[in-house]
Amino acid sequence: DTGVSQDPRHKITKRGQNVTFRCDPISEHNRLYWYRQTLGQGPEFLTYFQNEAQLEKSRLLSDRFSAERPKGSFSTLEIQRTEQGDSAMYLCASSFDAGDSPLHFGNGTRLTVT
Amino acid sequence: GEDVEQSLFLSVREGDSSVINCTYTDSSSTYLYWYKQEPGAGLQLLTYIFSNMDMKQDQRLTVLLNKKDKHLSLRIADTQTGDSAIYFCAENLYSSASKIIFGSGTRLSIRP
Repeated sequence: DTGVSQDPRHKITKRGQNVTFRCDPISEHNRLYWYRQTLGQGPEFLTYFQNEAQLEKSRLLSDRFSAERPKGSFSTLEIQRTEQGDSAMYLCASSFDAGDSPLHFGNGTRLTVT
Repeated sequence: GEDVEQSLFLSVREGDSSVINCTYTDSSSTYLYWYKQEPGAGLQLLTYIFSNMDMKQDQRLTVLLNKKDKHLSLRIADTQTGDSAIYFCAENLYSSASKIIFGSGTRLSIRP
């Protein structure tokens, strides 16, 4: 079963450092999403790609956040100059390009900023 | 606005039915979803319902949709200890066909 995989599972970094996370979606899926989840909350939408095009970004996504999906396959999410408030679980999901196609999630990358 | 609301906790006895409720705001939502999250894991899709349906049944799971009241429920029959998890309700926004909004989740705990 080649589900959505995310790397790393955990990342601890010091405030001010840059971090990058990777997501490999299900290979047949052309949509890819990034969500952020903090303790006790549901996932919050950050951004979404259709193939290599980034089609929507949330207001939550500050200028320090950038996401790419250069070849329409894997995606990276970079956070520059991390802050303690960035500590969260970052979830990646993918789906087919169809209205009834549900999201399939990876296990997430847990970021801790000290 | 975009808002999905759920109660935070539910405790049921093993073998009883669990009913998790959700209200949503976008009356034009086309799909509504239930996801399950176990500790340290991502979200697992349990089931989803198209907005023109009232009910969907899948083994022990029954989803009921009341479009007039914008109310969605998930019933788990014969609740087992393995059902302990956080359950998220989510809606697919009509205004942004690819954006799915989640509630804060209901933590289901099972009593022996």
